[in-house]
Amino acid sequence: GEQVEQLPSILRVQEGSSASINCTYENSASNYFPWYKQEPGENPKLIIDIRSNMERKQTQGLIVLLDKKAKRFSLHITDTQPGDSAMYFCAARTSSGQKLVFGQGTILKVYL
Amino acid sequence: GALVYQYPRRTICKSGTSMRMECQAVGFQATSVAWYRQSPQKTFELIALSTVNSAIKYEQNFTQEKFPISHPNLSFSSMTVLNAYLEDRGLYLCGARRDWGASETLYFGSGTRLTVL
Repeated sequence: GEQVEQLPSILRVQEGSSASINCTYENSASNYFPWYKQEPGENPKLIIDIRSNMERKQTQGLIVLLDKKAKRFSLHITDTQPGDSAMYFCAARTSSGQKLVFGQGTILKVYL
Repeated sequence: GALVYQYPRRTICKSGTSMRMECQAVGFQATSVAWYRQSPQKTFELIALSTVNSAIKYEQNFTQEKFPISHPNLSFSSMTVLNAYLEDRGLYLCGARRDWGASETLYFGSGTRLTVL
C-alpha cells in the first residue's frame, strides 16, 4: 500500500510548549519524507524534510525523526509561537516512483 | 530559491463549463510536474504526474478526458478541468520537481481555488 496516516488531526498547545505530529507509512521503499505547512488560503510550503539515510534532522526549532523499522516519522516543533498555527502535512515518496503521498493533515493551534 | 507561479489564484465557473490553470517554473527546469487537488476537508490527492520524456500518468479516479494536461517544455504546464461540477471544487496545486544534484523537493505553486456554481 501507499497510504500515509497522520495524527492527530487537531492539536492545541500553549505558547512556548512543544507540539508533535506523527505519521506512519506503508511502503517500505519510501525514502524521502517532507513536511509542509499550509496557512489559510495559501499553498503548502516545505518546512523541513528528511531522507531515509538519516534518523534525525533539526532546523530552526523544528525536529524530524525517522524510524524506518517502524515506518514512522514525526515532526516536533519546540517553543511554539502563535505564528506556528497552521495546517501541517507529512508526505512520503518512494525511490522508484515520483509520487508524493500526503497524510491527512494536522491543524495546529497555538494559544496564549 | 525555486519559484513556481500558478494562475489564476481563484476562479469561479458555472457547472458544466471548463477552466484552465497554468503553472510556470521560474529559475529552474521542472523535470516533472505533479497536479494535486485538495478538496474541502481533505488532504492532497494526486491527479497526474507529468515527467519529461514520459507519458503523463493519471491516478485512479482521474482521467485525461476530464483533466487534460499539457507539459510542452521544462518550465510550463497547464491543466484544464473539463465540465466542472460541484465535486470538482477545491484547491488545485501544481508541484514542480527539479533534478539538481539529489534534490527531490517538490515546490508548490500558489494554487488555483476553483469554485463551481
